[in-house]
Amino acid sequence: EAQVTQNPRYLITVTGKKLTVTCSQNMNHEYMSWYRQDPGLGLRQIYYSMNVEVTDKGDVPEGYKVSRKEKRNFPLILESPSPNQTSLYFCASSSRQGAQPQHFGDGTRLSIL
Amino acid sequence: GEDVEQSLFLSVREGDSSVINCTYTDSSSTYLYWYKQEPGAGLQLLTYIFSNMDMKQDQRLTVLLNKKDKHLSLRIADTQTGDSAIYFCAELQTGANNLFFGTGTRLTVIP
Repeated sequence: EAQVTQNPRYLITVTGKKLTVTCSQNMNHEYMSWYRQDPGLGLRQIYYSMNVEVTDKGDVPEGYKVSRKEKRNFPLILESPSPNQTSLYFCASSSRQGAQPQHFGDGTRLSIL
Repeated sequence: GEDVEQSLFLSVREGDSSVINCTYTDSSSTYLYWYKQEPGAGLQLLTYIFSNMDMKQDQRLTVLLNKKDKHLSLRIADTQTGDSAIYFCAELQTGANNLFFGTGTRLTVIP
């Protein structure tokens, strides 16, 4: 089954404690991206990757890092989380931009205390 | 990113038609998408339309695109309680590498 898998689905943690949200896709997609969803703001892109070892900033990259060492994985790293990063995060992948739709994971709800 | 605007809420009675509207600001957008998000779930692509089209129909869904006014709408015929969700429009601009999403419209279907 084609899917994008995020872990964990829920996490409550404290300010400053490094965390990583993993994302894995089994569709051999080149393009992967991370979004955060906040009430009244829709989805905003954090980072995206066009292929292995190719990453670029989206609209709201501050406080986040990513890596793309393998095609299937695109982890999101918060080196020093802060309360304003409390949000719902989605990973997505597609074979290419344009007509190919992005497949979304089920989301990770992060709460930073 | 460019502003993509939607109304935040819409309520309709079961069996009626729902019309969810979206306005965007970049006339060079190539594809425009509608996604559905059910509670606790990710986004599910419902349909999309290429910018050289005016209309696309897919079963109960009709997408209308007015490029002159930069207006996109999603009509759901015979709305059911299972259609209750948040609906996002998104645009892919020419040469861009990401989608710009609207704020989402929460559709509530009243039995």
